[in-house]
Amino acid sequence: EAGVAQSPRYKIIEKRQSVAFWCNPISGHATLYWYQQILGQGPKLLIQFQNNGVVDDSQLPKDRFSAERLKGVDSTLKIQPAKLEDSAVYLCARAPRLAKNIQYFGAGTRLSVL
Amino acid sequence: EDQVTQSPEALRLQEGESSSLNCSYTVSGLRGLFWYRQDPGKGPEFLFTLYSAGEEKEKERLKATLTKKESFLHITAPKPEDSATYLCAPGGGAGSYQLTFGKGTKLSVIP
Repeated sequence: EAGVAQSPRYKIIEKRQSVAFWCNPISGHATLYWYQQILGQGPKLLIQFQNNGVVDDSQLPKDRFSAERLKGVDSTLKIQPAKLEDSAVYLCARAPRLAKNIQYFGAGTRLSVL
Repeated sequence: EDQVTQSPEALRLQEGESSSLNCSYTVSGLRGLFWYRQDPGKGPEFLFTLYSAGEEKEKERLKATLTKKESFLHITAPKPEDSATYLCAPGGGAGSYQLTFGKGTKLSVIP
C-alpha cells in the first residue's frame, strides 16, 4: 500500500510478551516514520528516521519500545514487554526525498494485547 | 504544545447533501496543513497540502481551504464511496517534516 510493506497485518499476544513489527518502504525513501494509532484517535508519531539515524524519538516509550533501521531501508519496531494499553495499529510511513513533507502510509499492523 | 481539533467527530449525510469538516490548530513553525483520508483497515491516504492562508485545492468532490488558524474540507454532492475518516494534520515539529494528527471526522454518506 502506497509503496510501504508492513508485516504482520495482525498480531495477538498476552501482556508481558514481546512483539516485533517490520516495515519496508519499497522505494527505499530516506525518511521513515513509525506511528501508533489507538482506536478512535489519529496517528501519533513514535519515531522518525533519516537514513539510518534517528531524527526524533521524543514520544517513543523507551523503557519498552525500540526501533532500528537497517542500511537505511527496512525498519523494525519492537515492544518488550507489552502492556494492555499498547493495543493499537502501528503504522509505518515513508517520505520521498523531493517531497519530504508528504508521507505515504502502509496498511499497518493491528496489535491486540490480552 | 501543538493542538489539533477536528469537528464534528462524526457526520452522516444523505447522498448529494453537501457539508464541511473543520480543523482548527495551534502549531509552532507550521509547514503546511495536510488532509488525509482513512478507510477501515487501511493506512491514511494523502489528499491535499495547503501552505498559505487563502489557498484552496480541489479533488473531485472535495475542496480544502486554509486560514491562519483553521482549515475546512468541503464535500460537494457526496457519494457513498466518500464514506471514510478524514484526518487533518498540521506539519512542522521539532524534527521537521512531522505531522500532528487530529482525531478525525468519520463521514458516512447514506444512499
